[in-house]
Amino acid sequence: NAGVTQTPKFRVLKTGQSMTLLCAQDMNHEYMYWYRQDPGMGLRLIHYSVGEGTTAKGEVPDGYNVSRLKKQNFLLGLESAAPSQTSVYFCAARRTGENQPQHFGDGTRLSIL
Amino acid sequence: AQSVSQHNHHVILSEAASLELGCNYSYGGTVNLFWYVQYPGQHLQLLLKYFSGDPLVKGIKGFEAEFIKSKFSFNLRKPSVQWSDTAEYFCAVAPPGGYQKVTFGTGTKLQVIP
Repeated sequence: NAGVTQTPKFRVLKTGQSMTLLCAQDMNHEYMYWYRQDPGMGLRLIHYSVGEGTTAKGEVPDGYNVSRLKKQNFLLGLESAAPSQTSVYFCAARRTGENQPQHFGDGTRLSIL
Repeated sequence: AQSVSQHNHHVILSEAASLELGCNYSYGGTVNLFWYVQYPGQHLQLLLKYFSGDPLVKGIKGFEAEFIKSKFSFNLRKPSVQWSDTAEYFCAVAPPGGYQKVTFGTGTKLQVIP
């Protein structure tokens, strides 16, 4: 089983460019999340979704947009990339119900020059 | 708001040494607690979780953690580490039903020397 798949795995952008990160899950989980991981800061939640067609802001949403048009996909967009968005981005999915852990993808390493 | 503190940022141990990684949280109510591990170049994987019941939780690969409510702690332990345990370890806390409110600690990098 693939679980949570993120594409691309690596990308280098120039300041001001736009791009979309794709997260796909084959577990039929309702909840999906986008985190960024930075040295010494752990994981910080960017946006999340509790179901198809719904999204909400997390801890650090500025500069990012998301869409959940299909249940299995959760897209993270950078409209105008900035060097401060250089990070490793992780997507996670979680089934409904109490006490369920998150399942993470392998991450996308993004560098903004 | 809830928060998680991992005081050890980088731990270096020799193989067969015992491990204890600290995790303290602040939250006024019932919490769900997790430890995740991230091996070099890989994604986070669940090590163990605590929701209720026995405060001593056993996870995969010989890891265990003890929930001490009075100390707001959930320390991770392993009696004898192996080189393959070299990884970064994250403690996380979430209120019951708080599907979006998972808060991660800043992580502890463990380096095990053969």
